[in-house]
Amino acid sequence: EGQLVESGGGLVKPGGSLRLSCATSGFTFSSAWMSWVRQAPGKGLEWVGLIKSKTHGGTIDYAAPVKGRFTISRDDSKSTVFLQMNSLKTEDTAMYYCTGHGKFLFARDYRGQGTLVTVSS
Amino acid sequence: DIQMIQSPSSLSASVGDRVTITCQASQDIRKSLSWYQQKPGKAPRLLIYDASNLEAGVPSRFSGSGSGTDFTCIISSLQPEDIATYYCQQYENLPPTFGPGTKVDVK
Repeated sequence: EGQLVESGGGLVKPGGSLRLSCATSGFTFSSAWMSWVRQAPGKGLEWVGLIKSKTHGGTIDYAAPVKGRFTISRDDSKSTVFLQMNSLKTEDTAMYYCTGHGKFLFARDYRGQGTLVTVSS
Repeated sequence: DIQMIQSPSSLSASVGDRVTITCQASQDIRKSLSWYQQKPGKAPRLLIYDASNLEAGVPSRFSGSGSGTDFTCIISSLQPEDIATYYCQQYENLPPTFGPGTKVDVK
């Protein structure tokens, strides 16, 4: 069974930066399209972005609210996906989950516990 | 972006009741729809994908149907462990978009 472990969350001031990591195991990471999804406290789910596998060009797409500030990358040798967050705003405060894409979003092998990011002065 | 309308926003039902949640997409998404269950403090869990396919390990009291713009998730006999918020999500087009959620509790 797949395992995903997100890390790197914490408290950061507005305008600051944070880098989240998602270490995976139990599935063929190099073939997987990986997504980040966030959930602000008490709110619904919001897709953040996607990185495709290198065999599909490694294309990256972002949600409009984070485009230009967030960067997704992957290290297939370490089965890890990253989310670099710059110019953070208070509205970026949320639990951040890494997961699969499409019908694999939050599927059994593609579900971690999330990491909490709090942006506050 | 495709908008997802979900109803009701909340419901209260008795154990054993049949519960129906609906989701409407703002444009044709064929069958590219998933349903998720989320309990407080936990990550969402995939229940149904491709509108009607049950994820492995999900109880058979959950079912999904629909195509195009109108979709339904049914819990045939509500159990206490089904207390959660349920979300629909389309993955036909980027960005993937979620419905606002339906909070289900027991009377």
